[in-house]
Amino acid sequence: DAGVTQSPTHLIKTRGQQVTLRCSPKSGHDTVSWYQQALGQGPQFIFQYYEEEERQRGNFPDRFSGHQFPNYSSELNVNALLLGDSALYLCASSLGLREETQYFGPGTRLLVL
Amino acid sequence: EDQVTQSPEALRLQEGESSSLNCSYTVSGLRGLFWYRQDPGKGPEFLFTLYSAGEEKEKERLKATLTKKESFLHITAPKPEDSATYLCAVDGSSNTGKLIFGQGTTLQVKP
Repeated sequence: DAGVTQSPTHLIKTRGQQVTLRCSPKSGHDTVSWYQQALGQGPQFIFQYYEEEERQRGNFPDRFSGHQFPNYSSELNVNALLLGDSALYLCASSLGLREETQYFGPGTRLLVL
Repeated sequence: EDQVTQSPEALRLQEGESSSLNCSYTVSGLRGLFWYRQDPGKGPEFLFTLYSAGEEKEKERLKATLTKKESFLHITAPKPEDSATYLCAVDGSSNTGKLIFGQGTTLQVKP
């Protein structure tokens, strides 16, 4: 049973650049959520995608955007990177909007210099 | 506003020394309370989902319980491999699918 996968595992960018992170959900899941986790903190919700639409959004600026594809995979895009965007970015998948349990991928470690 | 607070922030135990981690929460219409284990630099690993007060779930040396205001993760006779950060999260009816996490409890078990 394939779990949640994310790519790349880590990357380094400079301020002002743009980045795209990718996520494939657990087999059988159709809902993808993205979280940002700063060092020593719990994950913070960015947004959730279901049926290729953004269904929920956390307190993140418009520089953070996403997309979900027909095969349920998803991308997180961050424009005009700031030093404070350095974090572990986590993707979680679940089944529909009524299934509460979310399963997380290994994350992408982003360092902004 | 939904909120989760975990205590203690860090806990050191000797192998075999049982203890409990606390998760206090405020949420509008609890849809689920979740416990995850996270190893350094990795994604959270799902442990338990609890839905209503009085519910209990067990897995190996771990047991999770739930009341209307808090949840406990009991660790019985821990081993060094139980060392990790344990995260608690809630999903409320006002923000379905948006998990609100606590800051976690970092557990270190010494042999």
